[in-house]
Amino acid sequence: EPEVTQTPSHQVTQMGQEVILRCVPISNHLYFYWYRQILGQKVEFLVSFYNNEISEKSEIFDDQFSVERPDGSNFTLKIRSTKLEDSAMYFCASRFMEQGNQPQHFGDGTRLSIL
Amino acid sequence: KQEVTQIPAALSVPEGENLVLNCSFTDSAIYNLQWFRQDPGKGLTSLLLIQSSQREQTSGRLNASLDKSSGRSTLYIAASQPGDSATYLCAVTPPGTYKYIFGTGTRLKVLA
Repeated sequence: EPEVTQTPSHQVTQMGQEVILRCVPISNHLYFYWYRQILGQKVEFLVSFYNNEISEKSEIFDDQFSVERPDGSNFTLKIRSTKLEDSAMYFCASRFMEQGNQPQHFGDGTRLSIL
Repeated sequence: KQEVTQIPAALSVPEGENLVLNCSFTDSAIYNLQWFRQDPGKGLTSLLLIQSSQREQTSGRLNASLDKSSGRSTLYIAASQPGDSATYLCAVTPPGTYKYIFGTGTRLKVLA
């Protein structure tokens, strides 16, 4: 069964450094999402992306964050200057169509640790 | 603002028991509700998706019901097994958007 893949599984970065988290969505999916889960807290929506532009973003998704689909397969989340509070599990998800009867499919996540 | 709560936060049961996990949401205007399973250090596995017009969905030993007017959903697991041990999350999609708003999760442990 097709799946969403994320790399790396664990990223350790010094505070202030830039980090790029990578995702390969399911190949025929058109809608892409990033969520994060701080340890012990709820999964939170960050951003949704369709047709090469952001369709919705949360308050968390400030100017430090950006997303990109650089080619036909990858979907990336960049954090420009990381802070300690960016430490979390980041999940990528994709959906075939923007309809309610289609679930989002999630990757296994990237654990980001900021030192 | 939509808030999603799950009760209980943790549950430990002997193998073979039937059990019910609860999810409540504050705004009944939802597009759909989805139940997920999350294993430690892993991603989210979709279990059941219920549209706002539906009352329930079934898959194997799992049955999810939705009562939109009261802002509640339940996930029923029949004949629980140790392999069912995981955290179960519910998430709702508000109308006009396709993001998920997640609940707090129920951590389930099924004892052999």
